[in-house]
Amino acid sequence: QKEVEQDPGPLSVPEGAIVSLNCTYSNSAFQYFMWYRQYSRKGPELLMYTYSSGNKEDGRFTAQVDKSSKYISLFIRDSQPSDSATYLCATRSGANNLFFGTGTRLTVIP
Amino acid sequence: SQTIHQWPATLVQPVGSPLSLECTVEGTSNPNLYWYRQAAGRGLQLLFYSVGIGQISSEVPQNLSASRPQDRQFILSSKKLLLSDSGFYLCAWSDQSNYGYTFGSGTRLTVV
Repeated sequence: QKEVEQDPGPLSVPEGAIVSLNCTYSNSAFQYFMWYRQYSRKGPELLMYTYSSGNKEDGRFTAQVDKSSKYISLFIRDSQPSDSATYLCATRSGANNLFFGTGTRLTVIP
Repeated sequence: SQTIHQWPATLVQPVGSPLSLECTVEGTSNPNLYWYRQAAGRGLQLLFYSVGIGQISSEVPQNLSASRPQDRQFILSSKKLLLSDSGFYLCAWSDQSNYGYTFGSGTRLTVV
């Protein structure tokens, strides 16, 4: 079983829509959860970082962690064409290395 | 502020040729350094990581090797490239807290 599972998509939405991106993970010891955004032919950039369960909001982005169901979500409100990218979830426990999902490719249509 | 440099951006190499990809970090000291490979539909695969000069940990057996000759320099090498070495190679760094990795812009390697 993979440490992190992520639906690869692709996901296509109209501009202004609310986007929901999701991952599941297998190890209950994971405590740190991240979302990265990767534009085509670029390196991933850290978008959101959360510790343990709960929500974290940053502008139009909300990261949500449900440790009871081992479920990670990223919500994008009022999506923009500039949000078109691949989104990768990642998680780790303690000082261990990150485990990444395979990424979900999102296209926001003007 | 911290920056990470990775080069070259693209590379086309024949099978059996050597490889050297370089990554340097500025604005920090004693970073943790990582080499990842990203294949389409397969996500990011950790190849090597280093917590200090000369300290290299390999995550998967392969045709590649890594070295860290200086605190902020990380090199990915191969003596003889295989077709299967093609991919998008990413260097990343983190501080000792491992808060979040900062990635370089990547090298797209095509072995022909």
